[in-house]
Amino acid sequence: QVQLVQSGAEVKKPGSSVKVSCKSSGGTFNSYTFSWVRQAPGEGLEWMGRIIPILGMTKDAQKFQGRVRITADKSTSTVYMELRSLRFEDTAVYYCARDAPNYCTNGVCYPVDWGQGTLVTVSS
Amino acid sequence: AIQLTQSPSSLSASVGDRVTITCRASQGISSALAWYQHKPGKGPRLLIYDASSLRSGVPSRFSGSGSGTDFTLTISSLQPEDFATYYCQQFNSDLWTFGQGTKVEIK
Repeated sequence: QVQLVQSGAEVKKPGSSVKVSCKSSGGTFNSYTFSWVRQAPGEGLEWMGRIIPILGMTKDAQKFQGRVRITADKSTSTVYMELRSLRFEDTAVYYCARDAPNYCTNGVCYPVDWGQGTLVTVSS
Repeated sequence: AIQLTQSPSSLSASVGDRVTITCRASQGISSALAWYQHKPGKGPRLLIYDASSLRSGVPSRFSGSGSGTDFTLTISSLQPEDFATYYCQQFNSDLWTFGQGTKVEIK
C-alpha cells in the first residue's frame, strides 16, 4: 500500500529556511514523479515543483525559482522540499504527492497519492 | 505559465442537484487535465485524469469532459459527502498549474 508520510509542523522566523520531508512507502521509489503543492490560509492550491528521483530532474514553478530546492534520497525513499528566505506569506500547509503507473496516459502521469500535509508557520 | 480559470468560484447546491464546474485554459492543453476534490485537513483526492477518465473507486456520478481550452466537471446527483472544494490542474506544459478552486456549499 502506497503511503506518503510527511514531517511535522514547523514554526520559522522570516528570512530563515524550512525543509519538509515526505517518506514514500510501497511501490518503486525511483519510478515515480513527486510533486510539492501548498495551500495558504484561505487560498487555493499552488503547485511548487516536482522531482523525478531516478533522473534527478527537477522543475520549479516560476514563482519559487531561486528559493525552493526539491531533492530526493533514494536510500531512504524520501523527498524533500526546502524553502529559503521565508516570508509571512509562506505560511501554508505543504503537501507532497506521487503519481502512479495506473494513471499515466498520453505521456502524462497524474498525482494520485498525497501526504497528510505539513503546516509551516512563518512568524516573528 | 498556462493560466486556468475556474467558474464559478463558489456555488450553493442541494443534495440531488446536478452540478457543473468549468475550467478554461489560457492556451490549448490537449486533454492533460485533472480534477481534484479537496476537504479541510486532508490531501487532495484525484477524481478525473486525462480530462475525462474516472479514477478507480470514484463514484460514477463524477464525470469530466473537454479538450483544448475548455473543460467541465459534472456531479450528476450531489451527495452530502461531495461538499468540498474542487480544483482543476493542467499538465500540458513543463510548469503545472491549478485553477483557483470552486467551493461547493450546502444550500
